[in-house]
Amino acid sequence: QSALTQPASVSGSPGQSITISCTGSSSDIGLYNYVSWYQEHPGKAPRLIIYEVTNRPSGISDRFSGSKSGKTAYLTISGLQAEDEADYYCSSYTGSSTLWVFGGGTNVTVL
Amino acid sequence: VQLQESGPGLVQPSQTLSLSCTVSGGSIASGGYYWSWIRRHPGKGLEWIGYIYYTGSTNYNPSLRGRVTMSVDTSKNQLSLELNSVTAADTAVYFCARGGYCTSVSCYFDYWGPGSLVTVSS
Repeated sequence: QSALTQPASVSGSPGQSITISCTGSSSDIGLYNYVSWYQEHPGKAPRLIIYEVTNRPSGISDRFSGSKSGKTAYLTISGLQAEDEADYYCSSYTGSSTLWVFGGGTNVTVL
Repeated sequence: VQLQESGPGLVQPSQTLSLSCTVSGGSIASGGYYWSWIRRHPGKGLEWIGYIYYTGSTNYNPSLRGRVTMSVDTSKNQLSLELNSVTAADTAVYFCARGGYCTSVSCYFDYWGPGSLVTVSS
């Protein structure tokens, strides 16, 4: 069982917006603004798409956005495109000896 | 920056799992970055294993401390991971990634390898 809880799957039609939740605890997401999101296509290297809750690395589409409320972080993909079909993982810094916790991943399907 | 894991895909129970990660497009020895190993068990989420700095300084996940050893070869621009006394529970896809040490300007994993599947089975 992963430390952070994500829905197993989310789907949407092209052009729609979807939101993936990532729920942690007061020791990770609730305490730090060091939440990051990663996109992984099958057989490819995971790619950082959001860091520090809301920031996008250079080259990442502004269709991806992040937010946080309490112990839950969110990744929103707007204007859903076929290329967005992938697995998405959230991560949070914990500050404990474990340092990092991750979610179980969410499979996004574009209908 | 590109990372590529390599190593045996099958390891016998009780033996040692050994993986390498070759970094290209940047020198590990230039400093400024920590390098992590992360794994994903089949059908489950990710687990941070630990990180290493080019000086050899390490920090391991307590859940694996005692079984894991990370090293760095700056001449080859490579990272290495060893996990001993493996069991079926260590079957996973193993990733190397840049990052893991949290500072005020960097607290994420910005580059990853595609991963290497290691199965522990006799």
